[in-house]
Amino acid sequence: DVKVTQSSRYLVKRTGEKVFLECVQDMDHENMFWYRQDPGLGLRLIYFSYDVKMKEKGDIPEGYSVSREKKERFSLILESASTNQTSMYLCASSLWTGGKGYTFGSGTRLTVV
Amino acid sequence: DQQVKQNSPSLSVQEGRISILNCDYTNSMFDYFLWYKKYPAEGPTFLISISSIKDKNEDGRFTVFLNKSAKHLSLHIVPSQPGDSAVYFCAASEGRSQGNLIFGKGTKLSVKP
Repeated sequence: DVKVTQSSRYLVKRTGEKVFLECVQDMDHENMFWYRQDPGLGLRLIYFSYDVKMKEKGDIPEGYSVSREKKERFSLILESASTNQTSMYLCASSLWTGGKGYTFGSGTRLTVV
Repeated sequence: DQQVKQNSPSLSVQEGRISILNCDYTNSMFDYFLWYKKYPAEGPTFLISISSIKDKNEDGRFTVFLNKSAKHLSLHIVPSQPGDSAVYFCAASEGRSQGNLIFGKGTKLSVKP
C-alpha cells in the first residue's frame, strides 16, 4: 500500500515564524497536494504539483508557498505564520490514473499562537 | 461556487439502521465520483467509488448510487455501526485519469449504540 508520511502530527508555532510542513510518499506518484481542513469548510486545496519543480495554486494559496525538489517530497511553507493559519493540514498523493483517487497522510495539526 | 455540495453537515443514526449520505454536483463534466471517510486526527481514507457508466456500486455494507440526470449521488451504509461514526466526504472528477478531485464540505455521521 502507498504510504504518505507527514513529518509532524502536532505543531505549535508563534505568529510570524516561518513554518515548514513536510510530506513524503513512497510509491512514485506524480501528483501531490496540500489541503487544509477546517470545521464547516471541508477540504480546501492550497497548492498541488504534477511533477518535480512544478507547482500550481489551489483555491487558497495566499500566505503559503511550496517546494518539490524531489518526486517523493512535497513541502508546504508558511512564510510568516498567522493565527488564522491554525488548522489541520493534509498532504495527499495520487497516480495520474488512480482509481482510488488520493492517498492522504495522517495530517498535521498546526496551532499558531 | 461549490461544484460538489453536501448539504447536511451532520447526520445521526441508530446502530443497525440505514445511514444515507447525500451529495449533489453541478458540473456535468464530472464522470467519476468517490467517497472518503475521515476519523478525527487522521487523514481521509478511500471508501468507495463509482463511474458515470454505472448507477450503483456495492462493497459490503456500503453502496453508492448515482443519478446522473439529477446530478445526485448517495452513500448507503447498511447496517450502520458505531465504528462508522466519522466525517464523510464526497468527491468528483472529470475522468478517472485526469484532473483534480473536487471535494464537498463533508457530513459528520454519528451512529448511536
